[in-house]
Amino acid sequence: KNEVEQSPQNLTAQEGEFITINCSYSVGISALHWLQQHPGGGIVSLFMLSSGKKKHGRLIATINIQEKHSSLHITASHPRDSAVYICAVPEQGAQKLVFGQGTRLTINP
Amino acid sequence: EPEVTQTPSHQVTQMGQEVILRCVPISNHLYFYWYRQILGQKVEFLVSFYNNEISEKSEIFDDQFSVERPDGSNFTLKIRSTKLEDSAMYFCASRSLAGTAQETQYFGPGTRLLVL
Repeated sequence: KNEVEQSPQNLTAQEGEFITINCSYSVGISALHWLQQHPGGGIVSLFMLSSGKKKHGRLIATINIQEKHSSLHITASHPRDSAVYICAVPEQGAQKLVFGQGTRLTINP
Repeated sequence: EPEVTQTPSHQVTQMGQEVILRCVPISNHLYFYWYRQILGQKVEFLVSFYNNEISEKSEIFDDQFSVERPDGSNFTLKIRSTKLEDSAMYFCASRSLAGTAQETQYFGPGTRLLVL
């Protein structure tokens, strides 16, 4: 069974700061998902990546399959980036996703 | 851009009542999922559905739960006799391809269920 751990659990920063959220998992996978959960509860898929790096706007996601680790970076952070960021990986041999506990990010103006 | 929709956005019910949560997945998607998130906890997998049948379910998904795709567009989750501990946010998700869970899943906005 894949275990997913995120750090930090909570992160508060000032607008403009560079943000890094980390995710580690226990069993080798082929792909990892980063999700954003808005304060109202809705979930949006940000990235699905299987190797290297992906960039979308100010968001960058990297993954190291050998080390079973992924990071989500936010450049020039803004208060609207305040949300819970969740990483999720497929359970080995299964269709379902296993989720981390989330990182609550607060960006102050 | 196509999106997954869910209704209702909020539902309050009495313990023991039946509830049906509705989802409209993206139209060309083949795999459908229900997840739930109890307040303050991780998102948990409930069930996946493909080709008109359940392909996988968790231990949470007991006989009180059922899913169906009655008309080729809606995907529903029914809880037959709700318990207090069923109070949670329920998310529907869909993805386009069969195979492994490598393809991006698209999530609906969720239904917040409160059982009193």
